[in-house]
Amino acid sequence: DAGVIQSPRHEVTEMGQEVTLRCKPISGHNSLFWYRQTMMRGLELLIYFNNNVPIDDSGMPEDRFSAKMPNASFSTLKIQPSEPRDSAVYFCASNPFGDSPQETQYFGPGTRLLVL
Amino acid sequence: QKEVEQNSGPLSVPEGAIASLNCTYSDRGSQSFFWYRQYSGKSPELIMFIYSNGDKEDGRFTAQLNKASQYVSLLIRDSQPSDSATYLCAVPTSGTYKYIFGTGTRLKVLA
Repeated sequence: DAGVIQSPRHEVTEMGQEVTLRCKPISGHNSLFWYRQTMMRGLELLIYFNNNVPIDDSGMPEDRFSAKMPNASFSTLKIQPSEPRDSAVYFCASNPFGDSPQETQYFGPGTRLLVL
Repeated sequence: QKEVEQNSGPLSVPEGAIASLNCTYSDRGSQSFFWYRQYSGKSPELIMFIYSNGDKEDGRFTAQLNKASQYVSLLIRDSQPSDSATYLCAVPTSGTYKYIFGTGTRLKVLA
């Protein structure tokens, strides 16, 4: 069974450019989470979806960040315009039912973003 | 702001020893606690979870939870060089799906 799939795995872009990160959760999983990891701040939750609906986006840093989940098998995280401080590893995670915070989250391999 | 605190390390232990990793949390309403392992350049992977006070054992790993003192620990027995990684403690904020991760403890097992 394929795990969480993320693309691209690496992205290098210039300040001001639009960046789109993609995620395919594990089939059948109802909840999807976007995280950002940096050395300084660790792993931070940006937004999570349950049944394709955004439930909590309080972790989204600012209006430059947006996330969508048009269907159960696909989500995007967009940064427009990108800034050097957005450089981080972005992880997508999913869990099966989304009806209990006690469920295990399964992480994708991450996208390493470098904004020059 | 709910917090999860971990000592960043590195914690160095000789091969075969017991490694003890600790985590404290501020949300008294938290009900579940997770330990993730993250190798350098890789994604976090679940090691153990614990819901009840006391100990939970799984192979060489033991999770210990003390809700009154608000700490959770992870013991790794017979540590191996392959255990060298960063260990992240994760605590869902009570009533939500928002996991608060600690910044992790880097473990080095010396051969």
